[in-house]
Amino acid sequence: DGGITQSPKYLFRKEGQNVTLSCEQNLNHDAMYWYRQDPGQGLRLIYYSQIVNDFQKGDIAEGYSVSREKKESFPLTVTSAQKNPTAFYLCASTPRLSYNEQFFGPGTRLTVL
Amino acid sequence: GQNIDQPTEMTATEGAIVQINCTYQTSGFNGLFWYQQHAGEAPTFLSYNVLDGLEEKGRFSSFLSRSKGYSYLLLKELQMKDSASYLCAVERTNAGKSTFGDGTTLTVKP
Repeated sequence: DGGITQSPKYLFRKEGQNVTLSCEQNLNHDAMYWYRQDPGQGLRLIYYSQIVNDFQKGDIAEGYSVSREKKESFPLTVTSAQKNPTAFYLCASTPRLSYNEQFFGPGTRLTVL
Repeated sequence: GQNIDQPTEMTATEGAIVQINCTYQTSGFNGLFWYQQHAGEAPTFLSYNVLDGLEEKGRFSSFLSRSKGYSYLLLKELQMKDSASYLCAVERTNAGKSTFGDGTTLTVKP
């Protein structure tokens, strides 16, 4: 079955450590997105990519980095510069940028101790 | 800038009808999405409105008025499994990015 996978579902890290969240899709979608969700809030866009080797900052990119070396993969690194990294992180994809519903992965809940 | 407003919480009774409103102010507008999100899970797509009017899909309907910056999601014949958060998202004209509201948590009671 086609879909988006994120791993792990729960992740714990010590303050000051970088951590990379994985996102893989086999839907053959061009565009991929990373969102952050805090309790009681909506999704805020961190980064997005419309094609391999290209990505753009979203609304809250500070303290995060991404890469898009393969169409299927869009990993997100939460760096030590991110002041409040504890959150629920969601990866999504669409066939192309614009006018499409987003297909979401199951999410990774990151807790920084 | 972007501003999307939804009620924080709503409660309704099983079998009833509930309307969840969303108002938005945006510098560019392509369309409006509604997503359902159960606690701890990923959002799932419910509807997408581009033109004014009502779109019906089974028990769920969504309405859009572009001139008023207003949308609503109508849920009929409520079931317990409809208890979830409902997210309104505005798709912006610049490069297809979406801005999400904070969501409305709906609780369906027996």
